[in-house]
Amino acid sequence: ETGVTQSPTHLIKTRGQQVTLRCSSQSGHNTVSWYQQALGQGPQFIFQYYREEENGRGNFPPRFSGLQFPNYSSELNVNALELDDSALYLCASSIGQGALGGYTFGSGTRLTVV
Amino acid sequence: AQSVTQLDSHVSVSEGTPVLLRCNYSSSYSPSLFWYVQHPNKGLQLLLKYTSAATLVKGINGFEAEFKKSETSFHLTKPSAHMSDAAEYFCVVSEAQGYNKLIFGAGTRLAVHP
Repeated sequence: ETGVTQSPTHLIKTRGQQVTLRCSSQSGHNTVSWYQQALGQGPQFIFQYYREEENGRGNFPPRFSGLQFPNYSSELNVNALELDDSALYLCASSIGQGALGGYTFGSGTRLTVV
Repeated sequence: AQSVTQLDSHVSVSEGTPVLLRCNYSSSYSPSLFWYVQHPNKGLQLLLKYTSAATLVKGINGFEAEFKKSETSFHLTKPSAHMSDAAEYFCVVSEAQGYNKLIFGAGTRLAVHP
């Protein structure tokens, strides 16, 4: 059984650019969520995808968008990068929309915007 | 709205002594509560979860937590700290709104000294 894998592990982008982060869900998991963890803070919920549709969103602007594919892998896209977007981005997968079984988190992508 | 407050940003203990990480939550109904651990450059790992069953929850690596509704607390304990326990610990509440999102506390950094 594979866990959640994220790529790339580290990324440096320039302000104003666009970035795509990728996540492969744990086998058998059909729900994926994305979280942003700024330095020294707890993760903040960005959005959740279930059956290829966004079904929940946190307080993030529309320039944060995502996709979920038929194989349940996922992408997080961020347009018009700002310095404050520098953070660790975590992907988490689960079975169904519930969190009762707990989420499986990836190791994250560290994004630095300069 | 639900929220989580971790009462200590840093906790330092000696190896072999007890660990206590404090967490208070705010919820308008019966919550699902979790503790996650994050080692440096690693993803988040689920330690234990409370989902309205037994109030004393046992997790991995000797950790346990007690749900106290009257005190709105969910403190994490371990009888004897090990050097490998040094990490960041997050208390988390799950908010169900047709989807589930995790609301993280700010984290407690646990240092273990020989």
